[in-house]
Amino acid sequence: DAGVIQSPRHEVTEMGQEVTLRCKPISGHDYLFWYRQTMMRGLELLIYFNNNVPIDDSGMPEDRFSAKMPNASFSTLKIQPSEPRDSAVYFCASSSGTPGAFFGQGTRLTVV
Amino acid sequence: AQSVTQPDIHITVSEGASLELRCNYSYGATPYLFWYVQSPGQGLQLLLKYFSGDTLVQGIKGFEAEFKRSQSSFNLRKPSVHWSDAAEYFCAFSSGGYNKLIFGAGTRLAVHP
Repeated sequence: DAGVIQSPRHEVTEMGQEVTLRCKPISGHDYLFWYRQTMMRGLELLIYFNNNVPIDDSGMPEDRFSAKMPNASFSTLKIQPSEPRDSAVYFCASSSGTPGAFFGQGTRLTVV
Repeated sequence: AQSVTQPDIHITVSEGASLELRCNYSYGATPYLFWYVQSPGQGLQLLLKYFSGDTLVQGIKGFEAEFKRSQSSFNLRKPSVHWSDAAEYFCAFSSGGYNKLIFGAGTRLAVHP
């Protein structure tokens, strides 16, 4: 298995633009997580899905953030409009029914 | 509140020396516990995990961790550190029945030759 695949690896965008981050989980995994990593706040769970259904989105910072999982093999995290304080590394992770997730390589987002 | 604490932000050891990274958790029951490693510019890799049973858990890359309920700790150890172990290490837990992971702030390990 190729593991969790995220795209793009790096994204530089201007403030106010829409940003879409993409994730392909490991085949057969029914949990998908979006995390954000910053120096100030460390690793924060933004949202997670079970069987494509959002279970807990309490970590989503603002209405500017939205996440979808239209099918078992694809998820997106969208920021609209983006702001400089959204600059971070965004990780997608997936797991099966057993706790303990497998992480993608991350997307480094820079909003200028 | 549920939380995990890694008291050491930075640790420096010499190559070949032993290593212990500390992790304490706050939770009303026994959580599921994990250690992850993150190399620069990379994602997080699972080193080991504890669910139940034997309190000494073996992981990849020669790491082990010991769960101590009385101390609410899950410290990571390695008997002899290699230069390639330089990375950031994260302790995490999830509460029973849920899959979401709560991470500590991380400990950055530097290895001197």
